[in-house]
Amino acid sequence: AQSVTQPDIHITVSEGASLELRCNYSYGATPYLFWYVQSPGQGLQLLLKYFSGDTLVQGIKGFEAEFKRSQSSFNLRKPSVHWSDAAEYFCAVGPRGYQKVTFGTGTKLQVIP
Amino acid sequence: DVKVTQSSRYLVKRTGEKVFLECVQDMDHENMFWYRQDPGLGLRLIYFSYDVKMKEKGDIPEGYSVSREKKERFSLILESASTNQTSMYLCASSQSTGEVMNTEAFFGQGTRLTVV
Repeated sequence: AQSVTQPDIHITVSEGASLELRCNYSYGATPYLFWYVQSPGQGLQLLLKYFSGDTLVQGIKGFEAEFKRSQSSFNLRKPSVHWSDAAEYFCAVGPRGYQKVTFGTGTKLQVIP
Repeated sequence: DVKVTQSSRYLVKRTGEKVFLECVQDMDHENMFWYRQDPGLGLRLIYFSYDVKMKEKGDIPEGYSVSREKKERFSLILESASTNQTSMYLCASSQSTGEVMNTEAFFGQGTRLTVV
């Protein structure tokens, strides 16, 4: 069965500092991987996705993620965090066609001035 | 812009009531989903539908049913609401066919349901 682990429940970073959110997955075939962001009281917005090809994926809002098959990881990074990045971030894995995607438990990001 | 609209942002219902949560999408997507979101548990799939009148159980279907009579509308039904169904409910839609690279889900704003 597919699964996603986000080991960090909460992360606090200073504005301007770099950020890395961890995601480990378990999936039997080639995974389709996603990162979503959820601002308070809002639905989820897609930051980026990986299906194949270049293992470093660029997304919106200055985020990127790197797929590492050997480590079963898909970590999200941003070189310089802005206060508006404070939100909850979800990693997800699933098959082609976005059916039965499994989400991680989320990482809540706090940004301090 | 793709729009997924959930009929209510907040709902308060009594135990034992029959509850309908409605979701409408305007992008002619084949797939529609209902998730439940709880702190520390992330999003869990309740049901999804890949075509009109077609449905499949997700990971936590117990206590829920769904209806999809039209392509753009997907309803979640709580036959007899219970307090443990108090949660945030998220609807999503996605395109099934076409280029894989375009596959992603678009989410509604969520409905926060409280059962008292």
